Amino acid sequence: QSVLTQPPSVSGAPGQRVTISCTGSSSNIGAGHDAQWYQQLPGTAPKLLIYDNSNRPSGVPDRFSGSKSGTSASLAITGLQAEDEGDYYCQSFDSSLTTWVFGGGTKLTVL
Amino acid sequence: QVQLHQSGPGLVKPSQTLSLTCTISGDSVSSNSATWNWIRQSPSRGLEWLGRTYYRSQWYDDYAVSVKDRISIIPDTSKNHFSLQLNSVTPEDTALYYCAMYGASSNWFDPWGQGTLVIVSS
Repeated sequence: QSVLTQPPSVSGAPGQRVTISCTGSSSNIGAGHDAQWYQQLPGTAPKLLIYDNSNRPSGVPDRFSGSKSGTSASLAITGLQAEDEGDYYCQSFDSSLTTWVFGGGTKLTVL
Repeated sequence: QVQLHQSGPGLVKPSQTLSLTCTISGDSVSSNSATWNWIRQSPSRGLEWLGRTYYRSQWYDDYAVSVKDRISIIPDTSKNHFSLQLNSVTPEDTALYYCAMYGASSNWFDPWGQGTLVIVSS
């Protein structure tokens, strides 16, 4: 059971918009710790997609956006493309556990 | 641009020691603005942070409670790499192992090594 809760799967047709939620608690996201998002394409290592809740590293398309509210964070992907298919993970820091924590991951399927 | 390259065996016998190395290019293991981490991924435990080493005038390390009695993360300044040693492994330690950099003034892991699948089996 992961400390950060994500839906196991989401799907959408090419061109559509999908969102992935990441629900935490008062000891991680709700405590003010920022959320990060990673994209893991099949057979590859996780890659930083969003940092500090809503910032994109250089090279990440603006189709990807992040937000945070209360004890949760969200990742939105607009204009879905086939190459977006993969697993997406949220990450934060937990003050009670004093460790970095990850969500269980969400598998994105592009129909 | 920092790159991390992992090396080490993919098969370890139960009760033995898992050893992996992460070689850094584009930065120094002795950097005062980074920490060097090991993270593993398995179907049963998901992504799990294992520990880190870092230099701030002296060497420090921190480990996850779940493995703290069995783990060492050791820097090697002459080879600019850091190593993971996990003792007394069991099949539950079977996982994809990643090294990753975490900046001193950041909240994220980037970049990551390519990953090493380690299977614990006799």
